[in-house]
Amino acid sequence: LAKTTQPISMDSYEGQEVNITCSHNNIATNDYITWYQQFPSQGPRFIIQGYKTKVTNEVASLFIPADRKSSTLSLPRVSLSDTAVYYCLVGPRTGGGNKLTFGTGTQLKVEL
Amino acid sequence: EADIYQTPRYLVIGTGKKITLECSQTMGHDKMYWYQQDPGMELHLIHYSYGVNSTEKGDLSSESTVSRIRTEHFPLTLESARPSHTSQYLCASSELQNTGELFFGEGSRLTVL
Repeated sequence: LAKTTQPISMDSYEGQEVNITCSHNNIATNDYITWYQQFPSQGPRFIIQGYKTKVTNEVASLFIPADRKSSTLSLPRVSLSDTAVYYCLVGPRTGGGNKLTFGTGTQLKVEL
Repeated sequence: EADIYQTPRYLVIGTGKKITLECSQTMGHDKMYWYQQDPGMELHLIHYSYGVNSTEKGDLSSESTVSRIRTEHFPLTLESARPSHTSQYLCASSELQNTGELFFGEGSRLTVL
């Protein structure tokens, strides 16, 4: 199982772009990279998923270099409501949900 | 929005009581999961299911049990609750075709006195 490493915490200000990097040196060929967001006392919420290069949706972008040993979640123009824990997960897209390990995540704090 | 529901959201009970945490999803997902999370800590997978009549234990040993008699329903039961069972229990579901995208319920916070 691919182990992930991400910073424990990050601080930012409203309107800034935030980039959270995750290391996954042992990623397997069929593994995808998925990011989740969790607010206190709520379940995690899916943000974005990718396999290689760049993926963008309405809330974030995911950058994955060619060697896929790391990935970067980019949140454009954060607001106070983006204060949450962000988890990077690595695992197969099919048949592998039970293999996803959430880890400790990155606590993002956004201030005025 | 995800259609997965957990009840009760909050439960305070005494030691020795039997409790069942309910989880239902209306998305037709085959895979369902139960995670346990203490405040500020990691999520730990305690049970999962591939479909009806399928249940498996997760990475974290748990005294709870689960059942999957219907696709949409995945209840978790503690036969005799203890203070060490105090935690938040999160239910999730996913499609078999994309098990990387989990849909979570809002959680059930259990306190055992």
